[in-house]
Amino acid sequence: GAVVSQHPSWVICKSGTSVKIECRSLDFQATTMFWYRQFPKQSLMLMATSNEGSKATYEQGVEKDKFLINHASLTLSTLTVTSAHPEDSSFYICSARSPRWSPYEQYFGPGTRLTVT
Amino acid sequence: KQEVTQIPAALSVPEGENLVLNCSFTDSAIYNLQWFRQDPGKGLTSLLLIQSSQREQTSGRLNASLDKSSGRSTLYIAASQPGDSATYLCAAMEYGNKLVFGAGTILRVKS
Repeated sequence: GAVVSQHPSWVICKSGTSVKIECRSLDFQATTMFWYRQFPKQSLMLMATSNEGSKATYEQGVEKDKFLINHASLTLSTLTVTSAHPEDSSFYICSARSPRWSPYEQYFGPGTRLTVT
Repeated sequence: KQEVTQIPAALSVPEGENLVLNCSFTDSAIYNLQWFRQDPGKGLTSLLLIQSSQREQTSGRLNASLDKSSGRSTLYIAASQPGDSATYLCAAMEYGNKLVFGAGTILRVKS
């Protein structure tokens, strides 16, 4: 149980275009989803927290107009990187939490590798 | 602001050795402390979660301890195997369910 998937697993896009990454909880309803970014040889940094049906809360230094997060249902959150630039190339990982399942655990997706050329 | 530090940054050991990975955090007001494994280019696999009220957790060859007052946690791996080679991350969960990660320890177990 507690499986989280991400799609796509990797994507290459041209500078200036937008790309959408999906995060799905497959066997539970996720009231909260988190988006992290990981640069090579660095740790995960929380970008934003999204609760179903409400606006995402962004961490300091993360541009909300550049990284659009939508959590429209209890099983799906999307991260859209708008007007992507090479410096946005990174590994993006989502996680999901369900208080009914386990109050304090986050279940992580497999990640999406974004390369902006 | 919570900061999580992991030592060593990298570790290479021969197969069969017992080893200890260290994690320290600056703010003791945490819900729990978690240890994850990350294989290259992959997501995170949860290994152990220690609640703030607990002192340790065990799973197979893994044992994690938590000393909140001193801001430290250790992950003990017994009888290491080549398949244990990965990056090990510790993360402190703050109020608001925010996870703050350390930079990780890259472990290589040589056969």
